[in-house]
Amino acid sequence: RKEVEQDPGPFNVPEGATVAFNCTYSNSASQSFFWYRQDCRKEPKLLMSVYSSGNEDGRFTAQLNRASQYISLLIRDSKLSDSATYLCVVNNNAGNMLTFGGGTRLMVKP
Amino acid sequence: DAGVTQSPTHLIKTRGQHVTLRCSPISGHKSVSWYQQVLGQGPQFIFQYYEKEERGRGNFPDRFSARQFPNYSSELNVNALLLGDSALYLCASSLGVSGRWDTQYFGPGTRLTVL
Repeated sequence: RKEVEQDPGPFNVPEGATVAFNCTYSNSASQSFFWYRQDCRKEPKLLMSVYSSGNEDGRFTAQLNRASQYISLLIRDSKLSDSATYLCVVNNNAGNMLTFGGGTRLMVKP
Repeated sequence: DAGVTQSPTHLIKTRGQHVTLRCSPISGHKSVSWYQQVLGQGPQFIFQYYEKEERGRGNFPDRFSARQFPNYSSELNVNALLLGDSALYLCASSLGVSGRWDTQYFGPGTRLTVL
């Protein structure tokens, strides 16, 4: 079983739609959680950190459920520019070494 | 301010050869991590260095080695290249402070092709 699992997609949604991604992690001792965004053939870029209380940044909302060991990302009012791969990332606090999921591909269509 | 820089951007090698990849972290960052990203997968952790000391190592064979220099730049070396080493090699830098939220910033990567 992979340490961090994501549905690879692709999720094909129209502009303006709301889309949600989930991610599960296996290590209950995991300390911190992130969503990174990766455009085709580019490097991953931090989208947002995921705090225990949940957090929101504009159209993006992240939630953490420690009991069920899953993390979610909600994107409202999707834009064409949101098309990318979204990587769920877990830090097991073993020296700040990140464990990545396989990524979920999002395609927003006009 | 300059972000994380990596060189070269692309590299083509043949099986059995050796390769050295280079990374310069963001100014003020003391920690460098290396990741391998095979096409269609998420990045996989290889090494982390802080203040020239190895802080962590992922599940990679001994053909992979790295080091960090006094100016905090880093090199990743791979010996006896295999076809399966073809991947995007990403370097990430961070402040290196202790705690859970030491954000890592990624460079553009080096795309290695092994023929």
